[in-house]
Amino acid sequence: GENVEQHPSTLSVQEGDSAVIKCTYSDSASNYFPWYKQELGKRPQLIIDIRSNVGEKKDQRIAVTLNKTAKHFSLHITETQPEDSAVYFCAASKRAGRRALTFGSGTRLQVQP
Amino acid sequence: EADIYQTPRYLVIGTGKKITLECSQTMGHDKMYWYQQDPGMELHLIHYSYGVNSTEKGDLSSESTVSRIRTEHFPLTLESARPSHTSQYLCASARPGLETDTQYFGPGTRLTVL
Repeated sequence: GENVEQHPSTLSVQEGDSAVIKCTYSDSASNYFPWYKQELGKRPQLIIDIRSNVGEKKDQRIAVTLNKTAKHFSLHITETQPEDSAVYFCAASKRAGRRALTFGSGTRLQVQP
Repeated sequence: EADIYQTPRYLVIGTGKKITLECSQTMGHDKMYWYQQDPGMELHLIHYSYGVNSTEKGDLSSESTVSRIRTEHFPLTLESARPSHTSQYLCASARPGLETDTQYFGPGTRLTVL
């Protein structure tokens, strides 16, 4: 089955700096890679996703890159703000699979004002 | 408003009690999931369903059971709760797209078993 590894487990940055979270996956058939943000006490919320036919996707201050050959994908947050502080989860899935998302173990991002 | 609803949001019960955690979605989704998550930690899939009368166990062994009699409803039952069941339980749903299965999460039920 699919295995997703996520690094780092914790990340502390100064406000305004960039943050990068990296994930690797094992199943080369995986073709969908979402990222979820979970604030303290709240539900995970989808913030951005990417499909295997795209190498990069941006949405304002966040971007995701995908390297299918190396089987890794990354979340990039620029100009970080205190409200970006949360736990971020990457995930992977493949079309027609009965098992949808396999999640990474999460990264706790702390943005210091 | 289309959303995923979970009740109760918080539950404190004694060991040995039978409990049912409710999950309903008004998003018209076929797929539904249950995850167990200690606060801020990894999400563990415990059950999923691809439609009415379809249920399967997930990655994490769980003593809970689920049913899917109606598309919008996916309750999770613990026949005899134990302190080891203390955790947060998140329900999610997804509508299969052409290539993706984007999941949307409910607010969760925080369960404490004394």
